[in-house]
Amino acid sequence: QKEVEQNSGPLSVPEGAIASLNCTYSDRVSQSFFWYRQYSGKSPELIMSIYSNGDKEDGRFTAQLNKASQYVSLLIRDSQPSDSATYLCAVRSRGSTLGRLYFGRGTQLTVWP
Amino acid sequence: DTAVSQTPKYLVTQMGNDKSIKCEQNLGHDTMYWYKQDSKKFLKIMFSYNNKELIINETVPNRFSPKSPDKAHLNLHINSLELGDSAVYFCASSSMTGGLSGSGADTQYFGPGTRLTVL
Repeated sequence: QKEVEQNSGPLSVPEGAIASLNCTYSDRVSQSFFWYRQYSGKSPELIMSIYSNGDKEDGRFTAQLNKASQYVSLLIRDSQPSDSATYLCAVRSRGSTLGRLYFGRGTQLTVWP
Repeated sequence: DTAVSQTPKYLVTQMGNDKSIKCEQNLGHDTMYWYKQDSKKFLKIMFSYNNKELIINETVPNRFSPKSPDKAHLNLHINSLELGDSAVYFCASSSMTGGLSGSGADTQYFGPGTRLTVL
């Protein structure tokens, strides 16, 4: 059973702070890693994808991947109230059925003004 | 220019009825999915089709039957609806041909969801 674990939160940070969201996964041959943001009542939308060890930056978002530790994180710099949402970590394994993603249960983030 | 669309957006029905949800994508993807999201927000895959062929079929009651008339459409028919079927159902699509390169082409894009309420 491939598992993806996230801190369920809720995580609460003040506006302008750095929000750190963490995700661990059980399958060592995982190859693709995604962070989705889901606003209440809306569908998941892709924030970041990462495939190689290290950091990947896109605007205020940085994804960090450490395959040896089976750990992927998402940092949100200069957090804004509009970042308040549930963040879903998803992992795709090399050995799994084509396209199969395993999702974590999500971390709810609240950014207060 | 909607990428992945679903109809209807809301569906309220009585127990025992049969209903369908339709999904269409105009991204040129070859793989489509159905997910169920429960009240605790857990996103669970139900089915996946690649080029009209079923490739993922999770432990889902036989009352749920997907149909893919072509690779741009994936519909979900539910027979004899039960209270526990109440959830949000999301359709998604991706490209498997890009999935091996790790370029990001294997990203799944989600439709707006269908909120099903069974009374």
